[in-house]
Amino acid sequence: SQTIHQWPATLVQPVGSPLSLECTVEGTSNPNLYWYRQAAGRGLQLLFYSVGIGQISSEVPQNLSASRPQDRQFILSSKKLLLSDSGFYLCAWLRALGTEAFFGQGTRLTVV
Amino acid sequence: AQSVTQPDIHITVSEGASLELRCNYSYGATPYLFWYVQSPGQGLQLLLKYFSGDTLVQGIKGFEAEFKRSQSSFNLRKPSVHWSDAAEYFCAVGANYGGATNKLIFGTGTLLAVQP
Repeated sequence: SQTIHQWPATLVQPVGSPLSLECTVEGTSNPNLYWYRQAAGRGLQLLFYSVGIGQISSEVPQNLSASRPQDRQFILSSKKLLLSDSGFYLCAWLRALGTEAFFGQGTRLTVV
Repeated sequence: AQSVTQPDIHITVSEGASLELRCNYSYGATPYLFWYVQSPGQGLQLLLKYFSGDTLVQGIKGFEAEFKRSQSSFNLRKPSVHWSDAAEYFCAVGANYGGATNKLIFGTGTLLAVQP
């Protein structure tokens, strides 16, 4: 069966520090992968999506970047965190349009 | 560009009462439509989805949703709410942008509180 792993679950980082959140998928190949950020009252904002290795599309201008070094690995990064980067980050994968999207358990990032 | 609007940010209902959560979408063709639920501190769980066929779709936990093309709506309903239904509910639209590029766009969510 397909599973998605996302870590860490919680993270407290100082302003200006780097960030690396990792997401891996099992039980599937060539998935569409997504990073979302959830902030209070703003729902789930799509940050990045990837249709294949090395292929990253950014949805909104921001302080974050994403990479896909392997088929089932999706990484969210920042060189210098801002206070506004705080939020709940969710990784998701989608096998095909119209099928269910599977979400990781999320990472609660607090930038202090 | 596709978009999803959930006009109700917060709804409170009494246990046993009926529920309707509103969702309106904007998309040029018939989209894939979804409702997800998120319990506190958790990931998202799919309640139901629609793409074609019967416009009234049944989901898990006794939920149903009706697609109305003329209103660009996909409202979620439940005839009798249980206390365990308290959660945040997200409507989502999926669309293809060519090739393998599929996007899943979410609304801002509706937070449901259930009174005893």
